[in-house]
Amino acid sequence: QKEVEQDPGPLSVPEGAIVSLNCTYSNSAFQYFMWYRQYSRKGPELLMYTYSSGNKEDGRFTAQVDKSSKYISLFIRDSQPSDSATYLCAGGDSSYKLIFGSGTRLLVRP
Amino acid sequence: GAVVSQHPSWVICKSGTSVKIECRSLDFQATTMFWYRQFPKQSLMLMATSNEGSKATYEQGVEKDKFLINHASLTLSTLTVTSAHPEDSSFYICSATSRTTGELFFGEGSRLTVL
Repeated sequence: QKEVEQDPGPLSVPEGAIVSLNCTYSNSAFQYFMWYRQYSRKGPELLMYTYSSGNKEDGRFTAQVDKSSKYISLFIRDSQPSDSATYLCAGGDSSYKLIFGSGTRLLVRP
Repeated sequence: GAVVSQHPSWVICKSGTSVKIECRSLDFQATTMFWYRQFPKQSLMLMATSNEGSKATYEQGVEKDKFLINHASLTLSTLTVTSAHPEDSSFYICSATSRTTGELFFGEGSRLTVL
């Protein structure tokens, strides 16, 4: 079993839709969780990070963590074609080492 | 904001040669640098963790004699792929942890193609 599981997609939605991206994890040592966006041939770009269970909102993005079920989500409101990218979730422990999910490819259709 | 720079961004080499990739933290000192590898349509896989002035810690399955990591200063880590083969062709990405804030920043990645 991978430490972080993520549906690879692709996920195709119309512009303006609410997007829900999800990951599950198995490592209880994870203390924080990150969401990265990666465009083709580019390095990952940090979108959100959370340290505890609950919701964290930043503009059109909301990150949600449920440590009891080991489930993390990223919601994107009013999705735009420019949001089309691969979204990577990751869990980290106290050593700053990140374990990534396989990434979900998102396509927002104009 | 803090930036992590990787050089070269793209390199093509012949099989059997060695290639060095640099990772620099441009406006902060990095306590720890991480090296990841990403094959096409796959996720980032951690290869090694590098602390300044000490030997790198490699993840299981990563050959330390093939992937040489040097972390000579608080702003520079290098990854040398020795005797590269076509199966080493990949996207190599580094990240660095700020010594003062603990924030983690990623480089833009270096694409290696071995012919």
